[in-house]
Amino acid sequence: GESVGLHLPTLSVQEGDNSIINCAYSNSASDYFIWYKQESGKGPQFIIDIRSNMDKRQGQRVTVLLNKTVKHLSLQIAATQPGDSAVYFCAENENGGSQGNLIFGKGTKLSVKP
Amino acid sequence: ETGVTQTPRHLVMGMTNKKSLKCEQHLGHNAMYWYKQSAKKPLELMFVYNFKEQTENNSVPSRFSPECPNSSHLFLHLHTLQPEDSALYLCASSQVGRGNTEAFFGQGTRLTVV
Repeated sequence: GESVGLHLPTLSVQEGDNSIINCAYSNSASDYFIWYKQESGKGPQFIIDIRSNMDKRQGQRVTVLLNKTVKHLSLQIAATQPGDSAVYFCAENENGGSQGNLIFGKGTKLSVKP
Repeated sequence: ETGVTQTPRHLVMGMTNKKSLKCEQHLGHNAMYWYKQSAKKPLELMFVYNFKEQTENNSVPSRFSPECPNSSHLFLHLHTLQPEDSALYLCASSQVGRGNTEAFFGQGTRLTVV
């Protein structure tokens, strides 16, 4: 069925190192992907998005990579900081996002060690 | 501050009570959503409203009743809930029909059914 899932439930990194969070999706019709960050006690916060006509997009300290061949999405965080500690979700949408409905993965908890 | 406000932040209710969750968005978006977030589960899409019309109901039990009086407000009426309904209920909004359709989330209502 259609699903979005994450390879690793937890990730621990040293402050200053780069972090890579992975996500697999199964719906080949999905053409819009988003990464969200959720801190304890807060709602998910938008980080970065990418459409299927791209394979890479960069933001401030974050990069999202999309491999449509293997239906894989990743989020790279450069120079990880303690404030990056949170749960990260990938989400997918089809129809170019025209319906707005997002299907979320299970989430990966990122812990940053000082 | 995401522009999406949910009240109350916390709610404890008995199984025979009736309560309502409220969401308001100040972003001028045309679509609003209710999501349920349980421990160790992906965010589950419950209801979708586009231009105040309900366009999706993901097999949600009738003890959850949404209401969207205008494009800025969304309610979730709760009646005779079960303990397994205890979760974080998140409201989101987005602009559909245009380029970027990331959803903006509120802080959520932490619901406990006793």
